[in-house]
Parts: sequence; structure tokens; C-alpha cells
Amino acid sequence: DAGVIQSPRHEVTEMGQEVTLRCKPISGHNSLFWYRQTMMRGLELLIYFNNNVPIDDSGMPEDRFSAKMPNASFSTLKIQPSEPRDSAVYFCASSFGQESFNEQFFGPGTRLTVL
Amino acid sequence: AQSVSQHNHHVILSEAASLELGCNYSYGGTVNLFWYVQYPGQHLQLLLKYFSGDPLVKGIKGFEAEFIKSKFSFNLRKPSVQWSDTAEYFCAVRGLTGGGNKLTFGTGTQLKVEL
Repeated sequence: DAGVIQSPRHEVTEMGQEVTLRCKPISGHNSLFWYRQTMMRGLELLIYFNNNVPIDDSGMPEDRFSAKMPNASFSTLKIQPSEPRDSAVYFCASSFGQESFNEQFFGPGTRLTVL
Repeated sequence: AQSVSQHNHHVILSEAASLELGCNYSYGGTVNLFWYVQYPGQHLQLLLKYFSGDPLVKGIKGFEAEFIKSKFSFNLRKPSVQWSDTAEYFCAVRGLTGGGNKLTFGTGTQLKVEL
């Protein structure tokens, strides 16, 4: 089992550029989560999907952020345009079931630096 | 809305010392509770979880946590820490009444174990 796969692992970009983060959940899992981790705010849930449908996007900071899940094995988190305050580690996690008692499995994260 | 408070942001201990990390949550209904650990440079991993039943939960690597409903607490304990326990520890809560599959994390406690 490869676990949750995220790419890229590191991304350095300039302010104003578009950034796309990718996630492949564990096969068979039907819930997918995007988190952001910063020193100041800790670990925050941005959005989560169940069966490819966004269920709760209340954590998405603003319209510059968007997330999609076109199929059960792939999701993207896009920031356009990026700003220095978006610098953080972005984690993707997956689990089985919506009202699930199972744990969320986390990917290795993407460390984003916006200059 | 659910929230989690971790009181200790940084803890430094010597090897073999006992550990207790505080976690309090705010939520009016039934909850699931989790402790995750993030070792340096790695992604989050589940240490232990509480869903129901015995409020004293045993996890991996000798960790345990006790759910005290009257205090809204879920403190993490280990009788004797090792250098390899150096990591960041996150408490998380999932409210089961309309909370869906959404986890809310505390801001984390950075534990450093010295030889």
C-alpha cells in the first residue's frame, strides 16, 4: 500500500503565480481532506470531499483557493494568484466512509514557499 | 462549532521522564478523539483514538490517553519517554452531531526529549 501520495513535495514560486498541488488518496478511500499547516495557525482543514463531492469548504481562506476532485483517485488544490502568506505545508489525507470511525491517513505534505 | 485547546506548546524532558500533554475540547455532543504525532520531516501518524467504551485508551509506542467527559479532556500520557519520542503531538476532535467527517486539530505540542 503506497499510502497517500502528494506532489510536488516542495514548491517554490513567486508571488502572483498559479500553484497546483496534487493528491492521490489511498485506493478504496472515499473521503479526502486538504489541510494547511503553519507555525501561527497550526493545522487547519481547508476542504473535504466525500465520494468526490465537496462537503465542507468553510476552511478555504478565500477565492484564490480552489479544490477539485474529478475522480476517486485524484484531487488538486489550486492557488491563483499565490501570495507570500500562502507559504505553508499542505497535507492531503484520506479515509474510508463519511460518517466514518476510521482514522485519516495523511500524505507527506507539500511544502510551499511563495516569494 | 468544535474546537481543541492544547495548553503546552513546547515541552522539554529528559529521557525516562514521565509525560503528560494536555488537551481540552469544546463541543456539546458526542465526540471522537484522536492524538496524532508528527516526527521531524514526516507526515502525521495516528497514535491513538477514542470512540466509545473504556475511557483509557492504549496506543502505539507505549502512549495512552484518558477521556474525562466531565472535564472535556483527553490528555496524552507516557510513563517513560525516549529520545525517539521527540516530535510534535496534535490532539484532534470530531463532533458526531452534524460534524460529518471533519477533524479539528489543536495547535500542537512540540516535545523535545534530551539524552
